[in-house]
Amino acid sequence: GNSVTQMEGPVTLSEEAFLTINCTYTATGYPSLFWYVQYPGEGLQLLLKATKADDKGSNKGFEATYRKETTSFHLEKGSVQVSDSAVYFCALGQGGSEKLVFGKGTKLTVNP
Amino acid sequence: SQTIHQWPATLVQPVGSPLSLECTVEGTSNPNLYWYRQAAGRGLQLLFYSVGIGQISSEVPQNLSASRPQDRQFILSSKKLLLSDSGFYLCAWSEGALWDTQYFGPGTRLTVL
Repeated sequence: GNSVTQMEGPVTLSEEAFLTINCTYTATGYPSLFWYVQYPGEGLQLLLKATKADDKGSNKGFEATYRKETTSFHLEKGSVQVSDSAVYFCALGQGGSEKLVFGKGTKLTVNP
Repeated sequence: SQTIHQWPATLVQPVGSPLSLECTVEGTSNPNLYWYRQAAGRGLQLLFYSVGIGQISSEVPQNLSASRPQDRQFILSSKKLLLSDSGFYLCAWSEGALWDTQYFGPGTRLTVL
């Protein structure tokens, strides 16, 4: 079945550092891929998505490129801020399935 | 625009007591609705989803149940809470396909003592 694997956390960075959170997936065909963010004590928010190979999703300075050849959708940001501290979830959705498949989440802490 | 509400925001209940959590969505018709649970330090677990009034699908066997009495209302219930029911409960909605973008509510923090 479909699955998502994302890097174990927690990740701790200093402000203005470069961020990469790895996400790889297993699926047949061409799923849609998502990144969600969960700030402390809140629900999840859609951060970005991509629906086909080589698409780049972007939002709030975050980017992720749908790489079919490596089955990956890594999240990147060039310069993180303290306000980016949150848990990030990679997710996959595909026609014929009844649900989104989420990764286990990666906790990011950004120190000033 | 669409909004999703959950209440209560926080709940502390004794073991063996009943539970009722409510979720409502505004600004859309016939949404798909979902209940997730997040245990402390863990990922998301899909509990129930619904594609229409009175239509409930259960993902895991447990002492929880869900109901959808109105188009935009989704209720999570239990007759007798267990310690293991503690967690953060999230309601979500989507349009169209079940596997497409979902939008989450603010969540309910449940502590069972």
